[in-house]
Amino acid sequence: QQQVKQSPQSLIVQKGGISIINCAYENTAFDYFPWYQQFPGKGPALLIAIRPDVSEKKEGRFTISFNKSAKQFSLHIMDSQPGDSATYFCAAETSGSRLTFGEGTQLTVNP
Amino acid sequence: DTGVSQDPRHKITKRGQNVTFRCDPISEHNRLYWYRQTLGQGPEFLTYFQNEAQLEKSRLLSDRFSAERPKGSFSTLEIQRTEQGDSAMYLCASSFTGNTEAFFGQGTRLTVV
Repeated sequence: QQQVKQSPQSLIVQKGGISIINCAYENTAFDYFPWYQQFPGKGPALLIAIRPDVSEKKEGRFTISFNKSAKQFSLHIMDSQPGDSATYFCAAETSGSRLTFGEGTQLTVNP
Repeated sequence: DTGVSQDPRHKITKRGQNVTFRCDPISEHNRLYWYRQTLGQGPEFLTYFQNEAQLEKSRLLSDRFSAERPKGSFSTLEIQRTEQGDSAMYLCASSFTGNTEAFFGQGTRLTVV
């Protein structure tokens, strides 16, 4: 059962543009929502994370927006750069348990 | 500490052979996780340990798979009688109880021929 759905599967943006990736979840017991960035041949690296008691979290060019009632959250990458080209995964976790990942979004930022 | 370390980085094996992977977590982390990732997919949970206790196993973890963390430090994941469908990236992650931030290793890429 896929508990975290991610879209789009792939995304192409121009340098300086905004990249937006969306995720939806089903399990209301989830209480931690991280985003991971993965480059080819590497393990996922934590980018930014949010808990459901806040609606938005910003770290540098990266922002998570969280909508608890809709059970959706999204990642916004402002001023996208070619170095941001990677695969991005949303995930969800119940405290004390393990991560459930989305299917991933392959982001390409054209120079 | 340089992070989560996995060994080997790559493994090619013939179908039917047994393989074993090792994971060394961040030293102060008491939780250790194994995930499997196939091409174009997100990591899928296999199992996790808190200290030396194996607390949860996914139904993906067939009888051919076994994981251990005997002293609550490093962990091994063994796959017996490998099948071509076992070809994947095997990822290890660690975290500390009470802090849900999980750090991943570089993974072990397994190819079964």
